[in-house]
Amino acid sequence: QQQVKQSPQSLIVQKGGISIINCAYENTAFDYFPWYQQFPGKGPALLIAIRPDVSEKKEGRFTISFNKSAKQFSLHIMDSQPGDSATYFCAASSGGGADGLTFGKGTHLIIQP
Amino acid sequence: NAGVMQNPRHLVRRRGQEARLRCSPMKGHSHVYWYRQLPEEGLKFMVYLQKENIIDESGMPKERFSAEFPKEGPSILRIQQVVRGDSAAYFCASSLLAGASYNEQFFGPGTRLTVL
Repeated sequence: QQQVKQSPQSLIVQKGGISIINCAYENTAFDYFPWYQQFPGKGPALLIAIRPDVSEKKEGRFTISFNKSAKQFSLHIMDSQPGDSATYFCAASSGGGADGLTFGKGTHLIIQP
Repeated sequence: NAGVMQNPRHLVRRRGQEARLRCSPMKGHSHVYWYRQLPEEGLKFMVYLQKENIIDESGMPKERFSAEFPKEGPSILRIQQVVRGDSAAYFCASSLLAGASYNEQFFGPGTRLTVL
């Protein structure tokens, strides 16, 4: 049973455009939702995270939108750059993030110059 | 500040051998998590440890896999009698304080295990 569903599997965006990746979760006990960026051969790097008591969080060009009633959250990358080309994973956990993370399957993002 | 360190970065084992993967958390972090990533897949949680304690091992296979985080030294993920299906990237993450309002996990570079 996949508890975090991520889409799309792959995404191509023109430089300067907006990249949008969506995730949906099933477990209502989840209370911490981070996004990670991973380059080939590297470990995941934490980008941004949100808790369900807010509907949006912005850090630089990265924004998380959160819809608690729909059990969905999304990552928006504004002014996408070729350096943003990577695999992005959404994740969720309970216990304020103390528990192990449940990851989506990832989105391969390619930013075309 | 050194990040999470893992070694070896690459490990090749023949079927039936043992694999030992080591993880040193970030300075000051006392909570360690292990994850496994198969090719083209997301990461799967395996085990969560604090110093000298296993907190949650719900993601660990019941046989051949074990983990420890001793009072001194790195955390160790041990795989006995490896099989080809164990080939994967194994990542360790550490966090500062469990139960805090915002418990961020920071990942190491991973160990890529290949079983021949």
